Amino acid sequence: SAVISQKPSRDICQRGTSLTIQCQVDSQVTMMFWYRQQPGQSLTLIATANQGSEATYESGFVIDKFPISRPNLTFSTLTVSNMSPEDSSIYLCSVAGTSGSDVPPYEQYFGPGTRLTVT
Amino acid sequence: AQKITQTQPGMFVQEKEAVTLDCTYDTSDPSYGLFWYKQPSSGEMIFLIYQGSYDQQNATEGRYSLNFQKARKSANLVISASQLGDSAMYFCAIGSARQLTFGSGTQLTVLP
Repeated sequence: SAVISQKPSRDICQRGTSLTIQCQVDSQVTMMFWYRQQPGQSLTLIATANQGSEATYESGFVIDKFPISRPNLTFSTLTVSNMSPEDSSIYLCSVAGTSGSDVPPYEQYFGPGTRLTVT
Repeated sequence: AQKITQTQPGMFVQEKEAVTLDCTYDTSDPSYGLFWYKQPSSGEMIFLIYQGSYDQQNATEGRYSLNFQKARKSANLVISASQLGDSAMYFCAIGSARQLTFGSGTQLTVLP
């Protein structure tokens, strides 16, 4: 399986500010995703991070609020912009691979998450 | 559209006993995968087990097994010989490596 790290692991931010979360994988992967988990809720996919092109966002999520970068096959960032208390969540990066990468094609692995609190 | 239903918000099991966590699903895709993840209080999501819709045999990974009944659209997780460290939230998910839809989760508590 791939080893995934996220920075920061947790943060407390003031409303109106922005936070950038980093996701680093120890091997090249085809797919990288960003999820949000609001308190007591399940996971919701925010977007698929595409290498070298704009991310693909799910319904209800927009690029202005959650800009995403993916400069290469092992790294991605998610920015939570103009934060409000409703953005308090765990943000999780996940990866999936195809044949030839270190991650089996059907498995999706998650990073440790970033616990964000907005005051 | 795909949908996952986990009807047990909370479950208790005695240490060393087996427990079954329920999961039913709905999808119009002819090919799909079913996944189980464990989320301890630390927040990380730990991949446990996978079952492909065309796999004939139920998947097994150590103490975890997936009771897949395609006709009933169910994919229950069985944990044998429960340990205190199994206490966590468990999520069932459907889809592929490219798109996962998660259920609402079951909070499992293992009692000493």
